[in-house]
Amino acid sequence: AQSVSQHNHHVILSEAASLELGCNYSYGGTVNLFWYVQYPGQHLQLLLKYFSGDPLVKGIKGFEAEFIKSKFSFNLRKPSVQWSDTAEYFCAVISYSSASKIIFGSGTRLSIRP
Amino acid sequence: KAGVTQTPRYLIKTRGQQVTLSCSPISGHRSVSWYQQTPGQGLQFLFEYFSETQRNKGNFPGRFSGRQFSNSRSEMNVSTLELGDSALYLCASTSEGLAYTGELFFGEGSRLTVL
Repeated sequence: AQSVSQHNHHVILSEAASLELGCNYSYGGTVNLFWYVQYPGQHLQLLLKYFSGDPLVKGIKGFEAEFIKSKFSFNLRKPSVQWSDTAEYFCAVISYSSASKIIFGSGTRLSIRP
Repeated sequence: KAGVTQTPRYLIKTRGQQVTLSCSPISGHRSVSWYQQTPGQGLQFLFEYFSETQRNKGNFPGRFSGRQFSNSRSEMNVSTLELGDSALYLCASTSEGLAYTGELFFGEGSRLTVL
C-alpha cells in the first residue's frame, strides 16, 4: 500500500537553528509532492510543491524542499528557524495511477524555543 | 475572496447517532475533498467530489458518505457513529480537482466528539 512517512513526530529547536524534516513515500510512479503547514489556530496552507523540473523547490517564508527520486524523499529545510515557525508540518503525495488519491503523512510538530 | 467555510465548527454526538457536516468551497472551485484528522494519524483522505460526482474515495467504511450540490457546496454524513469517529473533519477546495491541483484550500474544520 502506498504510504507517506514522516519519521520525526515532534522536533524542538532554538531560534536560528537549521531545520530539516524528513518525508519518504512509497510509490514508484509519477508523483506530485507537497508540504502543508498548520500554524496554531489556523487552517492548513500550502508551503511548497513539486510537480516537475528543478528538484529543489522554494516555498513561502524561506522554506525549501529537495526531491530525491532515488531515495523517494522530499525533505523540508530552512536554514534558520524563527519562533513563528512553530506549527505542524504535513508532507503529502498525489500519485497519478491510483485514481489521484492524496496521501498525507502523520505530521511533524515543530516547536521553536525563543 | 471568501475562503472555505465549514459548519458546524464543533459538535458533540453520542454513539449510534448520525451527523452531517457542510462545506462551502471558494467561489468558482468545483472540487471539494474531505479529510479526517486525528492525533498521530495525520490527515486521511475520505473522498473527493467534482461537479456533483464522487471522483475518488479513500479507505473508509460505507458509514461515511458525501454529496455535492450544483453550487459546489458539499455535505459529509457519518451514520451509526462510533467513538473512533471523534476527529477534526476538514474539507478543501480546488478549481480543477486533486489530479491537477497545485494547491488545496482548506477550511478550519468541524470538530466532532462522539461520547
